[in-house]
Amino acid sequence: AQSVTQPDIHITVSEGASLELRCNYSYGATPYLFWYVQSPGQGLQLLLKYFSGDTLVQGIKGFEAEFKRSQSSFNLRKPSVHWSDAAEYFCAVGAGGGNKLTFGTGTQLKVEL
Amino acid sequence: DTAVSQTPKYLVTQMGNDKSIKCEQNLGHDTMYWYKQDSKKFLKIMFSYNNKELIINETVPNRFSPKSPDKAHLNLHINSLELGDSAVYFCASSQRIGGGTDTQYFGPGTRLTVL
Repeated sequence: AQSVTQPDIHITVSEGASLELRCNYSYGATPYLFWYVQSPGQGLQLLLKYFSGDTLVQGIKGFEAEFKRSQSSFNLRKPSVHWSDAAEYFCAVGAGGGNKLTFGTGTQLKVEL
Repeated sequence: DTAVSQTPKYLVTQMGNDKSIKCEQNLGHDTMYWYKQDSKKFLKIMFSYNNKELIINETVPNRFSPKSPDKAHLNLHINSLELGDSAVYFCASSQRIGGGTDTQYFGPGTRLTVL
């Protein structure tokens, strides 16, 4: 069975600083990986996804993520954080029958002005 | 236009009651899902339907019964509500069932509070 670990429960960064959110997955075959963002009181919005090919994927809002098979990681990065990026970020792996998404526990990002 | 919509947004009810949450998607997708997000923000899939057929049932108590009248709608009915059912319930949809690759689009969520 697949699983996702997001080691950081909370992260605080200053506006304009760079950001990296960690995600590690466990899955026996080629993983399909996603990052979603949830703003307070809102649903989940897809930031980016990795299925195959180039291991560096670009997403919306200036985010990117790099798939590293050797480290079973799919870390999310942004070079310069904006105050509006404050939200909860979820990494997920999609696998197998039924298109089941397994989510990590999320990382809450706070942005200091 | 809202792609995936849910009603109601908030639902407060007493233990033992029966309630329903409705979900509609206007994306023309074949597959719909229900997820539960608990108080610690952990998201877990409950059900998925493909073209009105149940595909995933993740050991959810049988007090929870999804119903899909057509492929654009997936409703969630909950009988005999318990305190532990308090959570945010998200509906989602994707183009098709596809080995984990299809992007799922989420609704805004329904916050259920059981008193």
